[in-house]
Amino acid sequence: AQSVTQPDIHITVSEGASLELRCNYSYGATPYLFWYVQSPGQGLQLLLKYFSGDTLVQGIKGFEAEFKRSQSSFNLRKPSVHWSDAAEYFCAVGASGTSYDKVIFGPGTSLSVIP
Amino acid sequence: EPEVTQTPSHQVTQMGQEVILRCVPISNHLYFYWYRQILGQKVEFLVSFYNNEISEKSEIFDDQFSVERPDGSNFTLKIRSTKLEDSAMYFCASSGYGSYEQYFGPGTRLTVT
Repeated sequence: AQSVTQPDIHITVSEGASLELRCNYSYGATPYLFWYVQSPGQGLQLLLKYFSGDTLVQGIKGFEAEFKRSQSSFNLRKPSVHWSDAAEYFCAVGASGTSYDKVIFGPGTSLSVIP
Repeated sequence: EPEVTQTPSHQVTQMGQEVILRCVPISNHLYFYWYRQILGQKVEFLVSFYNNEISEKSEIFDDQFSVERPDGSNFTLKIRSTKLEDSAMYFCASSGYGSYEQYFGPGTRLTVT
């Protein structure tokens, strides 16, 4: 069965520092991968997605992610973190590779930003 | 930009009561979903819906849950007899034909007392 792991439950970084949030997935074929962000008490906002093609994808708010098939990873990065980036980040994978199937979420990484 | 909307934003109900959570998906979308997130936990799939029937449901989606698309715009989740453990944030999502991206609504926070 498909699954997503996010090894880091909580990460704290200083404002202006770089950020990398790790995500590993378990899926047999080419996955459809997503990163969502959730601010406290808010809904889910899509940061970026990977379906095919260039393995480095750019998203909103200055985020990017790199798909590495050999490592079954889809890590999220940002070169310089802003205080407003403090939130919960969820990596997710499309369950079966069909366009209408469910999305399976990882457990999330909580990001704190020190001013 | 089109968006998924959900009402109410917060619902408080007593244990054993029925609740209906409402969603208006993006107008030309064909696939509809409900997910839930218990406080502090990950987002979990509940059910998917296409062509006026359930496509898939998780083990969470037992007989107490039902979904309906009563008209051309709304998509509802009903919980017949709520339990304390149903307290969670419920997200509706929709996707279009051939699209791999699901658009999520802002969620309804359900509190069962």
